[in-house]
Amino acid sequence: DVKVTQSSRYLVKRTGEKVFLECVQDMDHENMFWYRQDPGLGLRLIYFSYDVKMKEKGDIPEGYSVSREKKERFSLILESASTNQTSMYLCASSIPGQGPYGYTFGSGTRLTVV
Amino acid sequence: GQQLNQSPQSMFIQEGEDVSMNCTSSSIFNTWLWYKQDPGEGPVLLIALYKAGELTSNGRLTAQFGITRKDSFLNISASIPSDVGIYFCAANSGYALNFGKGTSLLVTP
Repeated sequence: DVKVTQSSRYLVKRTGEKVFLECVQDMDHENMFWYRQDPGLGLRLIYFSYDVKMKEKGDIPEGYSVSREKKERFSLILESASTNQTSMYLCASSIPGQGPYGYTFGSGTRLTVV
Repeated sequence: GQQLNQSPQSMFIQEGEDVSMNCTSSSIFNTWLWYKQDPGEGPVLLIALYKAGELTSNGRLTAQFGITRKDSFLNISASIPSDVGIYFCAANSGYALNFGKGTSLLVTP
């Protein structure tokens, strides 16, 4: 089975801290994604990457950056955490050309910024 | 991304009842998908639809890709307590998926 692993299930950080959320997949997928999930707003795309060192902005990239130095790892960075970034963060990966059947999610990281 | 309008926002039903939810958009899509998210987990794919008019079943779940390619629905028959969760529609837009806001389903025994 494809596995997408997010390093932390729960995180509590202080306002202004630099926060790293890590995601690792073990199936050699080219595409990786970061979404945030908020009640009543569904899943919103922050950033995605279709290859090592490549990144594209999603719908809500402000306040975030990403890093993809290796194919299996996609990091989401909150440069200076703010309380409105308290959310559930979901990482996903997929194989290009195989359609959404290849879209696999991690279990999520619930981040609280205080 | 293009907006997907999912309804209802929540449903509270009794075990054994049938459930229906739908998703509409002003944009045309080539793929519609339905995901379920259990509490504390990431979404898991239930059904994928690739052709306008397509009707696909997965056990007690049935989904259809609207003929206009702008909508889709999901039906769950004879609901059971483990159907509890959040159901999301999604549509493929280039590299990434757009998601609806979700339908929260509660089932009482």
